[in-house]
Amino acid sequence: AQKVTQAQTEISVVEKEDVTLDCVYETRDTTYYLFWYKQPPSGELVFLIRRNSFDEQNEISGRYSWNFQKSTSSFNFTITASQVVDSAVYFCALSELLTSGSRLTFGEGTQLTVNP
Amino acid sequence: EPEVTQTPSHQVTQMGQEVILRCVPISNHLYFYWYRQILGQKVEFLVSFYNNEISEKSEIFDDQFSVERPDGSNFTLKIRSTKLEDSAMYFCASSEDRVGTGELFFGEGSRLTVL
Repeated sequence: AQKVTQAQTEISVVEKEDVTLDCVYETRDTTYYLFWYKQPPSGELVFLIRRNSFDEQNEISGRYSWNFQKSTSSFNFTITASQVVDSAVYFCALSELLTSGSRLTFGEGTQLTVNP
Repeated sequence: EPEVTQTPSHQVTQMGQEVILRCVPISNHLYFYWYRQILGQKVEFLVSFYNNEISEKSEIFDDQFSVERPDGSNFTLKIRSTKLEDSAMYFCASSEDRVGTGELFFGEGSRLTVL
């Protein structure tokens, strides 16, 4: 069965600090996709990134970067120079392709608080 | 930018009542989903829907739940007789292709409170 573990329940940092959110996953599939979503206090799920299992290149998008390590089944997310607006719950998720359709398995989420 | 829309944003109901949550997926998408998030917990898969039928459902999706695409635009989740533990945020999502090969777009959620 698919499993996603986000061991950090809560993280609190001061503005401008860098912060890394950890994600470890388990799957028997050889082809899979990993995601990060942001959930601000308003409650919606905001897509941040999708990465497939064959692409281990790290990715950077502005202050966000992602480190995918297939050998350790990890897909960690780093925010550089954090800002108060980054305060949210962040979810890592793993997709499972089905016969028709697919589903995401989410981690428990990490509550990030960035203090001014 | 196209988006998934959900109504109502918040519904309060009495235990035992029927509830219908509505979603309008992105128009050219073919795969539709419902997910649930109990307050403070992770997001959980409920059901996926393709070609006018359920393609996959979780153990949470029991006989109290049903989904329907009554016309070409709406996708509904019905809870026949609500229980206190059904209180949660319900997210509708759609994708053009199976998740991964295509992005999964979530609506803003419908918060259900069962009293």
